[in-house]
Amino acid sequence: AQSVTQLDSHVSVSEGTPVLLRCNYSSSYSPSLFWYVQHPNKGLQLLLKYTSAATLVKGINGFEAEFKKSETSFHLTKPSAHMSDAAEYFCVVSDLSGTYKYIFGTGTRLKVLA
Amino acid sequence: DTAVSQTPKYLVTQMGNDKSIKCEQNLGHDTMYWYKQDSKKFLKIMFSYNNKELIINETVPNRFSPKSPDKAHLNLHINSLELGDSAVYFCASSQKIGANSGNTIYFGEGSWLTVV
Repeated sequence: AQSVTQLDSHVSVSEGTPVLLRCNYSSSYSPSLFWYVQHPNKGLQLLLKYTSAATLVKGINGFEAEFKKSETSFHLTKPSAHMSDAAEYFCVVSDLSGTYKYIFGTGTRLKVLA
Repeated sequence: DTAVSQTPKYLVTQMGNDKSIKCEQNLGHDTMYWYKQDSKKFLKIMFSYNNKELIINETVPNRFSPKSPDKAHLNLHINSLELGDSAVYFCASSQKIGANSGNTIYFGEGSWLTVV
């Protein structure tokens, strides 16, 4: 069965400092992995996705994530946080076993301090 | 143009009422979904349709009934609303299902349902 674990429910960083949001997955098949962002009272927007191509994936707004099969991780990073990055972030796994499901992590709330 | 649009955005209603949330996508996708997000922000799939055919039906009370008149629309009807139905409901779509590459899900803006 597929699953995804976001290791931190809340992360606080100062503006201008690096961001690290952690995600570990479990999948019986080659997974596709996604990061979505949700700003308050808004829908979910795709930040980036991994689909078995390059293991380092670059997304929008300066975010990137690295797929590490040996560690079953797909952590999201950004070199320098901006106030507008404050939001809820979701790691998502979709494997190809035919279950047709996208499984969401429980989310990480990113707070950016001035 | 909004890719996935759902209406209404906000809905306040009394217990026992019946309500519908409509969803339309103009992306030409084959697959549409309904997700429920609870107060702790946890997202759980409720239903998925592929080309008007129901393919995912999670353990959702049968008071919830999805209807897909065509592959661009997936509406959610809820009968006899209960307090616990209060949540944000997201409609979403993706190009196709079961493909060899991860298809991106595109979400609507959400419908905030409050049952009083």
